[in-house]
Amino acid sequence: GQNIDQPTEMTATEGAIVQINCTYQTSGFNGLFWYQQHAGEAPTFLSYNVLDGLEEKGRFSSFLSRSKGYSYLLLKELQMKDSASYLCAVRDLRSGATNKLIFGTGTLLAVQP
Amino acid sequence: DSGVTQTPKHLITATGQRVTLRCSPRSGDLSVYWYQQSLDQGLQFLIQYYNGEERAKGNILERFSAQQFPDLHSELNLSSLELGDSALYFCASSPPGQGQGGYTFGSGTRLTVV
Repeated sequence: GQNIDQPTEMTATEGAIVQINCTYQTSGFNGLFWYQQHAGEAPTFLSYNVLDGLEEKGRFSSFLSRSKGYSYLLLKELQMKDSASYLCAVRDLRSGATNKLIFGTGTLLAVQP
Repeated sequence: DSGVTQTPKHLITATGQRVTLRCSPRSGDLSVYWYQQSLDQGLQFLIQYYNGEERAKGNILERFSAQQFPDLHSELNLSSLELGDSALYFCASSPPGQGQGGYTFGSGTRLTVV
């Protein structure tokens, strides 16, 4: 089966650094994605990892360890606008599905002044 | 504008009714995915179409059906609606192959069943 776990909520301070963890169990793994979703809006793509290691993109970085089934999203220099839900998603190539993504329930991040 | 168009943005209907949600994918994308997002739940995969054919099915109820037309737009039909069907319904599209960009989501249809 498939299982993706991430914390339900986190709180951090403006200007600080926060790390959002995601663990997954799935067969047919072919990549891990992070999306940002503001309340009532569409998810927007943040990052993609398919090989082990760190991918950096401005204030956001994402790490993947395939052997541990583990990823994290690192947000630096937090801004109030970063308050949102962060969704971890795994690409599943089983059952002939093309590019099917399985999402975790998301981590609601609140950035405080 | 993400390039994925969903209509309508909001829909309020009564229990027992039937509604159709529409999605036009981004130009060049062949795959369309439908997801349901309820208040306290994550994005639940419903169904995927690729170039007009059903490719994968998730936890989609028998009361729900979908199709993708030759022009690649897709429709999600929800019938015999229940209060619990109230949710945000997202459509997403992706280009052929397993690229690095994942999906592009539409802005969603908020369905309220009263």
